[in-house]
Amino acid sequence: DAKTTQPTSMDCAEGRAANLPCNHSTISGNEYVYWYRQIHSQGPQYIIHGLKNNETNEMASLIITEDRKSSTLILPHATLRDTAVYYCIVTGAGSARQLTFGSGTQLTVLP
Amino acid sequence: DAMVIQNPRYQVTQFGKPVTLSCSQTLNHNVMYWYQQKSSQAPKLLFHYYDKDFNNEADTPDNFQSRRPNTSFCFLDIRSPGLGDAAMYLCATSRDPGRNEKLFFGSGTQLSVL
Repeated sequence: DAKTTQPTSMDCAEGRAANLPCNHSTISGNEYVYWYRQIHSQGPQYIIHGLKNNETNEMASLIITEDRKSSTLILPHATLRDTAVYYCIVTGAGSARQLTFGSGTQLTVLP
Repeated sequence: DAMVIQNPRYQVTQFGKPVTLSCSQTLNHNVMYWYQQKSSQAPKLLFHYYDKDFNNEADTPDNFQSRRPNTSFCFLDIRSPGLGDAAMYLCATSRDPGRNEKLFFGSGTQLSVL
């Protein structure tokens, strides 16, 4: 699975959009970009995933660059409950190992 | 409603005393995973079951074993816990590793070793 690089930490004001970047320059053609988050002392929670098209669901939007070497997770209106560690993971469909977590980004939403 | 249930939420054991952590699921998923997460670190995959087929990660210590008696339940056995095994243990499920499937995680069991 391709390696990902994320900033260690970010702050965001409550109500504003949170934009979390992820670099995955070695991604291969059949690998997907997944985002999970982990609120303190809880299990990780799936947010969104994509292959090459931008994706949106009730939680977030995922923007993947045309060359697929980086992506951005967007939380459109961050709330205090969005404070968590956000993991960007690249994995291939058919990978039995599914997910190898990197170090993630600690997002702190400030009141 | 909880779909991946881990019990207990907190477990304390003594150095060298075997301990078993349990996980159950109501999703009828084919795959069940065990992850270890030490303080301030990312989760690390220990092993997974695809139906009854057990798949061990290469660097998972022999001290860790797993059992899956049926689709709904999976157990993590630590035969002789050391102080370094203190961690959060996370169970997860997915329908099929061969497809583009998301994982569902339980809330974890926090293991302390005294």
